[in-house]
Amino acid sequence: AQSVTQPDIHITVSEGASLELRCNYSYGATPYLFWYVQSPGQGLQLLLKYFSGDTLVQGIKGFEAEFKRSQSSFNLRKPSVHWSDAAEYFCAVVGAGSQGNLIFGKGTKLSVKP
Amino acid sequence: ETGVTQTPRHLVMGMTNKKSLKCEQHLGHNAMYWYKQSAKKPLELMFVYSLEERVENNSVPSRFSPECPNSSHLFLHLHTLQPEDSALYLCASSQDRSGRSYNEQFFGPGTRLTVL
Repeated sequence: AQSVTQPDIHITVSEGASLELRCNYSYGATPYLFWYVQSPGQGLQLLLKYFSGDTLVQGIKGFEAEFKRSQSSFNLRKPSVHWSDAAEYFCAVVGAGSQGNLIFGKGTKLSVKP
Repeated sequence: ETGVTQTPRHLVMGMTNKKSLKCEQHLGHNAMYWYKQSAKKPLELMFVYSLEERVENNSVPSRFSPECPNSSHLFLHLHTLQPEDSALYLCASSQDRSGRSYNEQFFGPGTRLTVL
C-alpha cells in the first residue's frame, strides 16, 4: 500500500542550528514528492517538490530536500533555523504522471528555542 | 482576495445543527478538493471536484454533503454531525485533473470545526 512515514512527531531545535526532518515513502511507481509547511491557524504552503532530475531540490525559505531512491527517502533540511520556522511540516507523495491523490504523512511539529 | 479563501475560519455547532463551509478560489482553477485534518492523523481527502463534477468521494458519511456550483466555489454542507467530526477542514484547488501531468494543489487556511 502507498504510504508516507514521518518518524518524528515533534522536534525541538535551537535557533541557528541545522535541521533535518525525515520522510520515507512506500510507492510502487515513480513518485512525485512534496514538502508542505503549516503555520498555526493556516493552510498548507508548498515548500518544495521533486518531480525528476537533480535529486537535491531547493525550496522557499532556505529549505532543501534530497531524494534518495535507494532509501525511499525525501528528507528536508535547513542549515540554520529561524524562530519563524516553528510550524508543522508534512511530506506527501503522488504517482508520477498521474492524476492520483496526494498521500500525506502525519506531520512533524517543529519547535524552535531561542 | 487572492489564492484560496475559506469561511468561516471557526465554527462551533451542536449535533442537531445544519451549517455550511464555503471555499472560494481566485486562481482560475478547474479542480477543487475537501480535506479533513484531525489530530494525530494524516490529512484525509474527502471529495474531489473537476469542472464542477464530483469525481471522487472517499467513503465520506452522508452527513457531509459537498456542492460545487461553479469552478470557483465549493461548499461542504454539514448536518447531524458527531463530536468526532471536530477537525480542521481544508479546501484546495488545482489547475485541473486532466492530462498526464500532475497539477499542484493550493490550500486555503481551513475552517476549524468543533461539534458539541
